[in-house]
Amino acid sequence: DAKTTQPPSMDCAEGRAANLPCNHSTISGNEYVYWYRQIHSQGPQYIIHGLKNNETNEMASLIITEDRKSSTLILPHATLRDTAVYYCIVRVTNQGGKLIFGQGTELSVKP
Amino acid sequence: NAGVTQTPKFRILKIGQSMTLQCTQDMNHNYMYWYRQDPGMGLKLIYYSVGAGITDKGEVPNGYNVSRSTTEDFPLRLELAAPSQTSVYFCASSDTQGRGYTFGSGTRLTVV
Repeated sequence: DAKTTQPPSMDCAEGRAANLPCNHSTISGNEYVYWYRQIHSQGPQYIIHGLKNNETNEMASLIITEDRKSSTLILPHATLRDTAVYYCIVRVTNQGGKLIFGQGTELSVKP
Repeated sequence: NAGVTQTPKFRILKIGQSMTLQCTQDMNHNYMYWYRQDPGMGLKLIYYSVGAGITDKGEVPNGYNVSRSTTEDFPLRLELAAPSQTSVYFCASSDTQGRGYTFGSGTRLTVV
């Protein structure tokens, strides 16, 4: 399974863009990059996913490098409610499409 | 639309006792998963299923059993509870295309 590497923690000022990096240098050509977040001990919440192209939805944008070895999740205007642990995951396409979680990045949004 | 429902939400077990954590989804998803999360750690995959009658081990299957008799239900069984199984357990489901990967709200289990 492709592994991901994320910084353990980051801070962001409220109202500013939060840019969360992720390295996944062993990703295979047909594996997707998924981002989830977990607030306190609630169930993880889906944010966004992508294969090659950049993606945007109402929550965030996902920028994937051309070689697909890294990606960045962008929260355009972070709020205090975005304080959470963010997980970058490479989803295997066989074996039931399971998500293998790493340690994630703990994002603290400060006033 | 309830999504993924887990019961119970909280449980305290004594060492050696057994119990079943229930998980039900109403989205007609073929794929279902069980994870555990220890304090301050990421989620670890215990077991998963790609359809009724088919299950497979994840990263940390020891001490657990699962069954999948219907598309909707994916119960997790602890036979001889140990303190090391104190954790929060999450059930999840998705369709075969990876869409709608949804988690339940979790079961907090303490083994004393």
